[in-house]
Amino acid sequence: TQLLEQSPQFLSIQEGENLTVYCNSSSVFSSLQWYRQEPGEGPVLLVTVVTGGEVKKLKRLTFQFGDARKDSSLHITAAQPGDTGLYLCAGGRGAQKLVFGQGTRLTINP
Amino acid sequence: EAGVVQSPRYKIIEKKQPVAFWCNPISGHNTLYWYLQNLGQGPELLIRYENEEAVDDSQLPKDRFSAERLKGVDSTLKIQPAELGDSAVYLCASSLDSSSTDTQYFGPGTRLTVL
Repeated sequence: TQLLEQSPQFLSIQEGENLTVYCNSSSVFSSLQWYRQEPGEGPVLLVTVVTGGEVKKLKRLTFQFGDARKDSSLHITAAQPGDTGLYLCAGGRGAQKLVFGQGTRLTINP
Repeated sequence: EAGVVQSPRYKIIEKKQPVAFWCNPISGHNTLYWYLQNLGQGPELLIRYENEEAVDDSQLPKDRFSAERLKGVDSTLKIQPAELGDSAVYLCASSLDSSSTDTQYFGPGTRLTVL
């Protein structure tokens, strides 16, 4: 049973389009992190959100933590080929224990 | 500043053979993690060290997997004997401390193929 469910698992869109990736759980997390992983590399942290309802922006990426701290979303505006990668959400449950979702593999076509 | 270093990057072995992975964390990072990542999945924690002490090894299959972090710096993860199902990417990560929001820095991983 996956504690964190990400959707969609695969997404292929054209450059310039907008997209949203979701990370859902029935459990409450103390924090929620989003990572991006490229082939042959380890995940790289994009953002950490800790407060219910929190919204953080990173250039064209907008991250939101649900009010109940059970879910999160990542919205990308005007996607570019450089955004291609595996996007992972990870929930924090005390003392540095991270639980990862299965990831969303995003492909942006030129 | 150097990131987390892992070696080897790739390893191909036959089943029942032993294999070992090495990790050098970022200098000054007290916490070190080993994760397993299957194809198309997110990383799963195998073991977490605080300095030289393994504080969470509940997901480590102890019948065949072992790990050590001598002197609280470098770490090795060993599998003996390897099984076909162990084929995966083994990621090492480190963080400065053990806060739940502290950033974990990942190495590039070791891709293991068991034939």
